[in-house]
Amino acid sequence: DSGVTQTPKHLITATGQRVTLRCSPRSGDLSVYWYQQSLDQGLQFLIQYYNGEERAKGNILERFSAQQFPDLHSELNLSSLELGDSALYFCASSVGISGTDTQYFGPGTRLTVL
Amino acid sequence: DAKTTQPNSMESNEEEPVHLPCNHSTISGTDYIHWYRQLPSQGPEYVIHGLTSNVNNRMASLAIAEDRKSSTLILHRATLRDAAVYYCILMSYSGAGSYQLTFGKGTKLSVIP
Repeated sequence: DSGVTQTPKHLITATGQRVTLRCSPRSGDLSVYWYQQSLDQGLQFLIQYYNGEERAKGNILERFSAQQFPDLHSELNLSSLELGDSALYFCASSVGISGTDTQYFGPGTRLTVL
Repeated sequence: DAKTTQPNSMESNEEEPVHLPCNHSTISGTDYIHWYRQLPSQGPEYVIHGLTSNVNNRMASLAIAEDRKSSTLILHRATLRDAAVYYCILMSYSGAGSYQLTFGKGTKLSVIP
């Protein structure tokens, strides 16, 4: 158990819909990261927040947005869903933003878009 | 884009050492070398990291070439629980005082009983 929690575990929805994925970081961690893992693209970094502020952006679509709240939990919002958005979405957390910081990954949310 | 090259798959016999290679010829002076692994149906898990010197921890050892253009993750005695996809990653500075992990395809390690 990494200490990072993600809800829900599974999500099934239809194309065009909007969903919200939630992540609670490990106690004491200020940094939160979101990743998407699909069969054809592997693990792709989406976005990073540190203490409520966006710090880095990766391959995140404009239809996707995220935020980190004052209590440090984070939400990833996916809208106008397409079949290709079906994937595992992982959240990770770390103490800070240093190159030596370990990222602790949650168990993931499996999103299926029908 | 991934900046590391790893074999797609490797096999090892149980209780034998495993050497997982990684090439990162375009590494910059500020890049850290991290290894993570992903067991089936789980999120990635940190294994080890280093900058220039070889590193040891309870899980593995990391041997870094003198020119830093390659590294090797060493599992001293493979167990069935070590069967996973192993990712060699350069933790690169992404601006705003932040570092970013860029995952490649990884090496799928199979352990034979």
